[in-house]
Amino acid sequence: DGGITQSPKYLFRKEGQNVTLSCEQNLNHDAMYWYRQDPGQGLRLIYYSQIVNDFQKGDIAEGYSVSREKKESFPLTVTSAQKNPTAFYLCASLKRGHVLVGNQPQHFGDGTRLSIL
Amino acid sequence: AQSVTQPDIHITVSEGASLELRCNYSYGATPYLFWYVQSPGQGLQLLLKYFSGDTLVQGIKGFEAEFKRSQSSFNLRKPSVHWSDAAEYFCAVAINTGNQFYFGTGTSLTVIP
Repeated sequence: DGGITQSPKYLFRKEGQNVTLSCEQNLNHDAMYWYRQDPGQGLRLIYYSQIVNDFQKGDIAEGYSVSREKKESFPLTVTSAQKNPTAFYLCASLKRGHVLVGNQPQHFGDGTRLSIL
Repeated sequence: AQSVTQPDIHITVSEGASLELRCNYSYGATPYLFWYVQSPGQGLQLLLKYFSGDTLVQGIKGFEAEFKRSQSSFNLRKPSVHWSDAAEYFCAVAINTGNQFYFGTGTSLTVIP
């Protein structure tokens, strides 16, 4: 079955360290998204990418970076500039970058929980 | 700015009772509307969606939602709640070209025997 795989499920970051969260999808979706989830704040968009080699900042992009070298992969790096990285990170994808194409909504991975050591 | 409001942070219902979770959005035109459910430590699963047409939409697990344009609302309902429905529920909207999403802050549902 197709889906989105996020790894690792749990990740710990040391002070001053960059860490990378993996997101891979085999749904042949064009658009991919990264969200941060904090208790009581819902999901906030970090970055999204509509096509390979292109991505846009979301509402809370500071302290994060992404790349989209392959259609199926959209890794998120949490840099040392992100002073409060502890959160649950969710990756999502969407076919053709529009909800109406294929009448399909976003698909979500199972998330990565990042904590500070 | 666009926004999605879920006024109830936490709701407790008895098993077998009816359920209504509220969602209001702020947007000039009719957005695309969604309800998702999230179990602890998991991703989000789509319950139902509204794009156009019939304002009462049916979803999975016995859920339904009604779009009311005059109230800018998209409330989620279920006639009889099961213990397995205990989870976090998120309302979301997609706007403009339909490729950017805004989520509410979620409603946590507890089901008591």
